[in-house]
This record gives sequence, C-alpha cells and structure tokens, in this order.
Amino acid sequence: DAGVIQSPRHEVTEMGQEVTLRCKPISGHNSLFWYRQTMMRGLELLIYFNNNVPIDDSGMPEDRFSAKMPNASFSTLKIQPSEPRDSAVYFCASTSGFQPQHFGDGTRLSIL
Amino acid sequence: AQKITQTQPGMFVQEKEAVTLDCTYDTSDPSYGLFWYKQPSSGEMIFLIYQGSYDQQNATEGRYSLNFQKARKSANLVISASQLGDSAMYFCAMRESGKTSYDKVIFGPGTSLSVIP
Repeated sequence: DAGVIQSPRHEVTEMGQEVTLRCKPISGHNSLFWYRQTMMRGLELLIYFNNNVPIDDSGMPEDRFSAKMPNASFSTLKIQPSEPRDSAVYFCASTSGFQPQHFGDGTRLSIL
Repeated sequence: AQKITQTQPGMFVQEKEAVTLDCTYDTSDPSYGLFWYKQPSSGEMIFLIYQGSYDQQNATEGRYSLNFQKARKSANLVISASQLGDSAMYFCAMRESGKTSYDKVIFGPGTSLSVIP
C-alpha cells in the first residue's frame, strides 16, 4: 500500500516567492493533518481536515498561510509571500477513525 | 495551553538496558487516545504504540510497552533491551474525540534518546 505522499521533498526559494506543498493521503483515510517542525517550536499542528472540510486552522501562523483539500486524495499548503522564518520541515499525515496517523516523509523548506 | 508534557529533553541509556520516557497529558475528554512516535535522524515519523483511554490493559508492541496511569494522566513509554538503533527523538501524542475536537492530534515536545554502546 502506498503511504502518504508529499511533494516536493526539498524546496529552496527566495523570500517573497509563493510556495506550494502537496500531499496525497492514504486512500480511505478521512482525516488529514498539516504539521510544521522546527528546532525551536517542535511539531506544531497547523490545520486539519475531516472529510475534506477544514476543522481547525487555529495553528496557521498568519494569513500568508492557506490550505485546501479539494478532494479526498489531495491537499495543498500554500505560503504567499514566503519569509525566512517559514523555513522548516512540513509534514502531512492522514488517518481514519481510531487508527494512528501515517506521516509522509515531509518537505524540507528553506527560504533564503 | 500545552496539553502534552515530556519533561525529559534528553536521555541516555546503556545498550541492552531498559529506559522509560515520560509523558503526561491534560484533557477533559473522557474518550481519547495516546500515541508514541519515533523520529530517527533521517526524519521520518514512525508509529510505535497506541493506548486508548478505555483500554483495560497497558499496550505492548514487541520491546515497547506503555505504562498507562489514567488517574495520573501519564502514559510513559518503556523500551526494553535498548539497541543502538533506538537512538532517536520520541514524541508522545494525544488524540481527542470531543464534540469540537474531531480527532485532533497534538504532539509533545519530544525526548531525545541516545543509546550508549
């Protein structure tokens, strides 16, 4: 079975550019989570969806961040405009019911 | 308010010894789940073990066991017979299933475990 697929694996871009991170959850999972991991702040929950509907986006740091889930098999996290402090590893995870979350390999984002 | 506490930023253990990683949590939801994940230096998140709030027995998975003390709101991870490959970050996580939580999962700050040969 394919796991959670994230793309790109690495992204290096200049400050001010738009960044789009992509996630394909495991088929059949109805909950999808976006996390950001930094040394200073650890793993932060940014937003999560249930049945494609955003349930809690209180972790989204600023209006520069937005996330969508247009269908059950795809989600995006967008940063516009990007800033150096957005540099982090961004994880997507999916789950269903009482199952543990399955994580993607993450996107390592560097904003110069 | 922080809901998951891991008080040990770093731990050392001798190879082949057992080690306990602490986790305390805070919730008013009677139905919740507790997870432990391992993150090696390569960065992936690996699920280790799960304990449901209504489970009568402590969870076990191979060398991993969970010391669940519901009244104290603690869910400590015990790793027996430590191996060099156990060196990693370990995260405790909680899923709440309350009316407004919709299975929200949050993570503690993590504990860095180093296994010494």
